[in-house]
Amino acid sequence: GAVVSQHPSRVICKSGTSVKIECRSLDFQATTMFWYRQFPKKSLMLMATSNEGSKATYEQGVEKDKFLINHASLTLSTLTVTSAHPEDSSFYICSARDWTSGSYNEQFFGPGTRLTVL
Amino acid sequence: QKEVEQDPGPLSVPEGAIVSLNCTYSNSAFQYFMWYRQYSRKGPELLMYTYSSGNKEDGRFTAQVDKSSKYISLFIRDSQPSDSATYLCAMTAVRGSNYQLIWGAGTKLIIKP
Repeated sequence: GAVVSQHPSRVICKSGTSVKIECRSLDFQATTMFWYRQFPKKSLMLMATSNEGSKATYEQGVEKDKFLINHASLTLSTLTVTSAHPEDSSFYICSARDWTSGSYNEQFFGPGTRLTVL
Repeated sequence: QKEVEQDPGPLSVPEGAIVSLNCTYSNSAFQYFMWYRQYSRKGPELLMYTYSSGNKEDGRFTAQVDKSSKYISLFIRDSQPSDSATYLCAMTAVRGSNYQLIWGAGTKLIIKP
């Protein structure tokens, strides 16, 4: 099956610093990648949809200047949390859609990145 | 009102029991219905997906969709402790130019040995 990796798996940073999270589709090309945020014991909250070569589409309430998304190639998308604060601490998960897959538009998920801002 | 409702549990059952997990939804435009399993601190993995009303079986798992009632279920037979995880239902909807997954809250399932 299709594999999506995320790096790093865990990161701890100081308040005010920026953190970059990478999402890679390893064995398929992903025209669309999604970034989610998940709080403890809560479901996934879609932050933004990223299409290769174009600007990301952010969900309502998500600050685009704080959560910078770049989808420079068909296998890589990055999420940069700028000037991170403790309230940004969360589990960030990316997913990728294989454009050659069936009509149900399955998303393949990465293992997630645990961000802790001190 | 949320578009997808799912009881967060936890649901605790003894090993070997049949587990029933459910979601209800309000948007009749949803097209595909998925069940994901998520272990603690891991990304979700797709278990099953269905499109039409009826049942779909895969090993110990059966997904059921009733579009007239806007109700979907996941049944797990002969449950094992390794099935302990959070189960999320998700449905696809067209938003703008993309398909998005609309998620339930997830039900935490605990299988007791």
